[in-house]
Amino acid sequence: GAGVSQSPRYKVAKRGQDVALRCDPISGHVSLFWYQQALGQGPEFLTYFQNEAQLDKSGLPSDRFFAERPEGSVSTLKIQRTQQEDSAVYLCASSLAGQGEQYFGPGTRLTVT
Amino acid sequence: RKEVEQDPGPFNVPEGATVAFNCTYSNSASQSFFWYRQDCRKEPKLLMSVYSSGNEDGRFTAQLNRASQYISLLIRDSKLSDSATYLCVVNMGNSGYALNFGKGTSLLVTP
Repeated sequence: GAGVSQSPRYKVAKRGQDVALRCDPISGHVSLFWYQQALGQGPEFLTYFQNEAQLDKSGLPSDRFFAERPEGSVSTLKIQRTQQEDSAVYLCASSLAGQGEQYFGPGTRLTVT
Repeated sequence: RKEVEQDPGPFNVPEGATVAFNCTYSNSASQSFFWYRQDCRKEPKLLMSVYSSGNEDGRFTAQLNRASQYISLLIRDSKLSDSATYLCVVNMGNSGYALNFGKGTSLLVTP
């Protein structure tokens, strides 16, 4: 079956632009997570959804970051007024239930110039 | 100080060698522990969960010491295909579900 998919795979944005990153989780997976991975680092937690409810957004680095999952399936991570420090790989993961194995998508590599 | 600490390496070992990775975590409320593998420019993939009693999967053995908040991974008879970054991962004690990743330990197995 299809795994987690993310689009676009690569995004180059000029500083100050807004970007939207999409995640299609595995069908039927209740939980969805977003992580940010800077070069040479492990992934850092950003936010967590259970169905359409955003239960934890404690990892979002600033109010420029916003995530939604309106129908409990596809999720979008939006970054407003991008800064150079936002350059990273943004990983989406889904799991059948909260504590189940998390399956990661291939990530979106964002470069802010 | 990061919540999950690992030696970043790199570890360069010959084929057939045994190699051990160690990891410490700071949140005593953490309940779930994992090792993930990440190949260059790819997503992390679960290698194995780590249980208190220790567990083995083929050439891989994981150990957990809750008292010392210490996790280890042993790879025996290493293969060229084991070359990757190994990420020590614990769940966040407060939310339970989100994962805390270490920085990763880089392994290169050479012929």
